[in-house]
Amino acid sequence: EVQLVESGGGLVKPGGSLRLSCAASGFTFSSYSMNWVRQAPGKGLEWVSSISSSSSYIYYADSVKGRFTISRDNAKNSLYLQMNSLRAEDTAVYYCARARRDGYPDAFDIWGQGTMVTVSS
Amino acid sequence: DIQMTQSPSSLSASVGDRVTITCRASQGISNSLAWYQQKPGKAPNLLLYAASRLESGVPSRFSGSGSGTDYTLTISSLQPEDFATYYCQQYYSTPYTFGQGTKLEIK
Repeated sequence: EVQLVESGGGLVKPGGSLRLSCAASGFTFSSYSMNWVRQAPGKGLEWVSSISSSSSYIYYADSVKGRFTISRDNAKNSLYLQMNSLRAEDTAVYYCARARRDGYPDAFDIWGQGTMVTVSS
Repeated sequence: DIQMTQSPSSLSASVGDRVTITCRASQGISNSLAWYQQKPGKAPNLLLYAASRLESGVPSRFSGSGSGTDYTLTISSLQPEDFATYYCQQYYSTPYTFGQGTKLEIK
């Protein structure tokens, strides 16, 4: 079964750090671009970051640029999001999502169940 | 950044109704548009990509159309399981922006 499972969410104080992980299974992880998308409580979806299959191309939303770092380990079938200098407005459910194709911008066809990040003192 | 404007933001309809949701991009996106369905507490689910291509496993009552800046999602005959929130997304260029969502409720 094709699956993405996020972990690493939790409660963190403003200015703190957190590292999210996304474990992939059921497909050739190294052949796909991957993404992080977040959703604040009661709000819509916000794309956060993308990384190509070989990590050659990385993109960030302006709202997280300079604070968040996306990375992947194809040998471990895992995607990561290092989040530093966290703010209250980063509070959200964070989803990892697979892009349909690598090498071209495409829709997100597989999503994880999400992990909740709460930034509060 | 490309802004995506969805309308309506909410919609009440009955089982069996035909409904249409529209999405307008602030600039042309060359059919690089996806539609997602999200139910409460769940991850989004891809319905259509490339504006009109149905994702595998998605019922044929869902269809998409459009070009340039204007796109539509149509559900031909609403089923009870279709009551959810729908989002459009452009993937023409980063940042990959989403519409604000359309909540489809039972009348």
